[in-house]
Amino acid sequence: DTAVSQTPKYLVTQMGNDKSIKCEQNLGHDTMYWYKQDSKKFLKIMFSYNNKELIINETVPNRFSPKSPDKAHLNLHINSLELGDSAVYFCASSQGSTPPEQFFGPGTRLTVL
Amino acid sequence: GENVEQHPSTLSVQEGDSAVIKCTYSDSASNYFPWYKQELGKRPQLIIDIRSNVGEKKDQRIAVTLNKTAKHFSLHITETQPEDSAVYFCAAGRGGSNYKLTFGKGTLLTVNP
Repeated sequence: DTAVSQTPKYLVTQMGNDKSIKCEQNLGHDTMYWYKQDSKKFLKIMFSYNNKELIINETVPNRFSPKSPDKAHLNLHINSLELGDSAVYFCASSQGSTPPEQFFGPGTRLTVL
Repeated sequence: GENVEQHPSTLSVQEGDSAVIKCTYSDSASNYFPWYKQELGKRPQLIIDIRSNVGEKKDQRIAVTLNKTAKHFSLHITETQPEDSAVYFCAAGRGGSNYKLTFGKGTLLTVNP
């Protein structure tokens, strides 16, 4: 009964490749997010989607393209991977705008060689 | 945009002592201030949060205080235990359709037995 899940947990790939990370939440939340956590542990928001609509795009290179097929899923596709893309990527979700608690997924550790 | 500063970046205490982590924020419109705990290799998890209509909130050994005038908030952990060792993140956000959290850079807390 995992609330926010991500696949894969680990991803090791070569520079220049294209890869995708998938996220699913079963909490019935209306908003989903992608965060990047770099080697210094800094957590920075990349995107947010509300009811499948892009709300926040935080100056992320256009090699990163989020896609939300429905409210429960938010995927992240990365083209032409670079060394600097190595990080842990966390998906999160929340409900409403009161503002609400955000629930994080387990993270995907991406290593670009 | 919002800017959150967090201090100290590392904190080492003896078991049973108290630990205090401080954060400041820049956007006076922020009205939600959560604290997340992240254990090594795990996801950030909410431990306590406070909203701008409240000055203090307690949950067992954890308390958070908020000073809206000075735009700072603090996390207090009393009677620390080794299992409190983790990275702690403060964050600030405000409700609305483009709700997002801006995180501080984290504090690595080590509780020595």
